[in-house]
Amino acid sequence: DAGVIQSPRHEVTEMGQEVTLRCKPISGHNSLFWYRQTMMRGLELLIYFNNNVPIDDSGMPEDRFSAKMPNASFSTLKIQPSEPRDSAVYFCASSFQLETSGASYNEQFFGPGTRLTVL
Amino acid sequence: RKEVEQDPGPFNVPEGATVAFNCTYSNSASQSFFWYRQDCRKEPKLLMSVYSSGNEDGRFTAQLNRASQYISLLIRDSKLSDSATYLCVVNMGVSGGYNKLIFGAGTRLAVHP
Repeated sequence: DAGVIQSPRHEVTEMGQEVTLRCKPISGHNSLFWYRQTMMRGLELLIYFNNNVPIDDSGMPEDRFSAKMPNASFSTLKIQPSEPRDSAVYFCASSFQLETSGASYNEQFFGPGTRLTVL
Repeated sequence: RKEVEQDPGPFNVPEGATVAFNCTYSNSASQSFFWYRQDCRKEPKLLMSVYSSGNEDGRFTAQLNRASQYISLLIRDSKLSDSATYLCVVNMGVSGGYNKLIFGAGTRLAVHP
């Protein structure tokens, strides 16, 4: 079975350029998460979608970051304009969550990540 | 204070050793707890859930102490393949059943021959 797919795996760009990261969640999953991981701050949640709708974007750093999920099988995270401090590994994760799951947990499966370097 | 705190290590141990990691969390309303494993330059993967009664999976034992707000992971008979970063993860849970995970910065384990 295919896991979460992310592209590109590596991206090197110059400051000021637009960067678009892509994610295909596991088929049948209804929840999608974008995370960012750096040495300084660890793994941080940026945004969470449920049934293609953004539910929690409180982790999005600033207006330069935007995320979309036009359908159940595709999501993008865009940074425009990019800055050197955006350099990090960006992970997409998906899971299946019931609306009434409450404290119950459904495992989040992570993609391989996109390693972004902004020069 | 960070929401989830871990000793970053590294813990350097010989094969066969027993090693334990601890993790503390700040929000007493946290609902569930996990250990994830992350290999170098790879994605995090769920290692095990942590139950109030404690749970064991082979050489791995996880414990939860809600009163003191800490979680532990014990690895017995360490193998070279156990070398990785171990992330302590807390499910904050929010209204509507959204499982918001807060990750610790991780504890690095290096097992040597």
